[in-house]
Amino acid sequence: DAKTTQPTSMDCAEGRAANLPCNHSTISGNEYVYWYRQIHSQGPQYIIHGLKNNETNEMASLIITEDRKSSTLILPHATLRDTAVYYCIVRSLFNYGGSQGNLIFGKGTKLSVKP
Amino acid sequence: EAQVTQNPRYLITVTGKKLTVTCSQNMNHEYMSWYRQDPGLGLRQIYYSMNVEVTDKGDVPEGYKVSRKEKRNFPLILESPSPNQTSLYFCASTSRRGVGEQYFGPGTRLTVT
Repeated sequence: DAKTTQPTSMDCAEGRAANLPCNHSTISGNEYVYWYRQIHSQGPQYIIHGLKNNETNEMASLIITEDRKSSTLILPHATLRDTAVYYCIVRSLFNYGGSQGNLIFGKGTKLSVKP
Repeated sequence: EAQVTQNPRYLITVTGKKLTVTCSQNMNHEYMSWYRQDPGLGLRQIYYSMNVEVTDKGDVPEGYKVSRKEKRNFPLILESPSPNQTSLYFCASTSRRGVGEQYFGPGTRLTVT
């Protein structure tokens, strides 16, 4: 799986958009970008994933650059409850290749949403 | 409600006393796994199971056992716990028909003295 690089921490004002970047310059053609978050020692929570097109769901939007070497997770109106560590993970679509179910969590970005 | 449950949520035990942490999911997922999370080391996979009666080692399996007798349950067994197994444990599951998103349990904080 390709390696990812994320900033260690970010701050965001409540109600504003939070834009979390991720670099994955070695991503290969069949690898997807997944985002998870972990709120204070709770179980990680899946947010969104994408291949090359921008994606949006009820939680967030994912913008992937045309060359697919980087992406940005956007929380459009951050709330205090969005304070968490956000993980960007690059991997091929899960096809039950045994160890492919292993999610490699890096250090992530600690997002602090402030009033 | 779709969920992964773990029990107990908190456990303090002594070295050598066998324990089991249970994990159950109600989503009919085939794939289940266990992770441990330690400061500075992130989440690391302990064991995984691709289906009933099919289990395999993850990255840090030493000192742990698992079983998968039913699709919904995937217990983690520590036959002789040691202090270096003090950690935060998460169970996760996913469907082979999904896109690979994994659902995690709430975690079990284990302290071995």
